[in-house]
Formats: sequence, structure tokens, C-alpha cells
Amino acid sequence: SQTIHQWPATLVQPVGSPLSLECTVEGTSNPNLYWYRQAAGRGLQLLFYSVGIGQISSEVPQNLSASRPQDRQFILSSKKLLLSDSGFYLCAWSPGTRAEAFFGQGTRLTVV
Amino acid sequence: DAKTTQPPSMDCAEGRAANLPCNHSTISGNEYVYWYRQIHSQGPQYIIHGLKNNETNEMASLIITEDRKSSTLILPHATLRDTAVYYCIVSNINQAGTALIFGKGTTLSVSS
Repeated sequence: SQTIHQWPATLVQPVGSPLSLECTVEGTSNPNLYWYRQAAGRGLQLLFYSVGIGQISSEVPQNLSASRPQDRQFILSSKKLLLSDSGFYLCAWSPGTRAEAFFGQGTRLTVV
Repeated sequence: DAKTTQPPSMDCAEGRAANLPCNHSTISGNEYVYWYRQIHSQGPQYIIHGLKNNETNEMASLIITEDRKSSTLILPHATLRDTAVYYCIVSNINQAGTALIFGKGTTLSVSS
């Protein structure tokens, strides 16, 4: 069966510090991968999606970036965090042949 | 932008059916209707999806109108654990480069 791992679960970082969130998927190959963010009291915002290694599409301009160094690994990064980067970050994957997407448990990031 | 319109909130008594409506008047022929829910502080959970026929699984039923411009998610016997934000999404994530775009959803409150 397929599983998605996302870590850490919670993170407190100072303004201006770097960020690296990692997401891995097991039990499938060539998944579509996604990063979403949910600010406090708001809806889910799509940040990045990837249909293959090295293929990243950005939905919203921001100081975040994403990379896919391996087929089942998706990394969200920032060189310098802003207060506005605080939120609940969710990684998700979908297979190419089925319709539904599956979400990780999320990382709650607080920038102080 | 989300392509769906949902009421911001609904209440339901425990044990009764919860009927959550969704309008998607601009849906295109190859787009599916997806329903997800998000329980507080967790990642979204897939519930059901459909193209034009009604669908049923162990969690819920999905009724899509003949013109496909609206749909209803039915939880036949709501429980307290069904309290969550329910998202109706139209998309075709089997198409390369397409992702799920979440709107604000409907907050369903189930009470005893």
C-alpha cells in the first residue's frame, strides 16, 4: 500500500532563518506531488506541484521554492523565512491513473 | 480561483443525514467533482468523486445533477466525528499539470 511521510510535524523558526520541509511517498512510482499551505483560519492554497523529477510548477509567487531530487521525494525550501510564512504546510500525492489525491499529516510552521 | 460555490456552514443532528450542496456551473466535460474533508489540524481526506453518474462508497453518496452544474454530498447517518470542513472541487487531476484547487468549503457541525 502507498504511504506519504511528511516531517517535522511542528517547527518554530526565527525570521530570516532557512527552511527545509521534506515529503516522501512509498509504494508507488512517478506520482504527481503537491505542496499546499493553509494560513490560520484560511483555506488551502496550492504552492507547487510536480509531475516528474526536476519538473516543478509554481502557483503563487513567494519566497519559497520546491525541488524534486528523486521520484518520490518533494522538498519545500526557503532561504529566509518571513513572518507571513507561518502556516500549516501539507504535502500530497496523486497517481497518474486514479483521480484522488492523498495528503500527509502536515507541518505546522511558526515563524517568530 | 475555486470553481465551486458552497454554503459556509451547516448544522446536522447526530444520526440524521447531512446533505451538503455544491454549485459548479462552469464545469467542463472532462472535469470530475471531488469531495474532501478536513478535520481540525489534519490533512484533507478524500471522500468520493464522480463524473456524471451518482456514486456511493462506504463513506458517502454523491448525487450529480443531469446538467452537471451542481452536486450534493450525502452522509447518510452523520456522527460527531463527521464534524469537519467539506470541500467540493472540480478538476481533472489525471491531466498533466492539473492540481486540486480548494475553496473555502462548508463547515459541517454535527451535534448530539
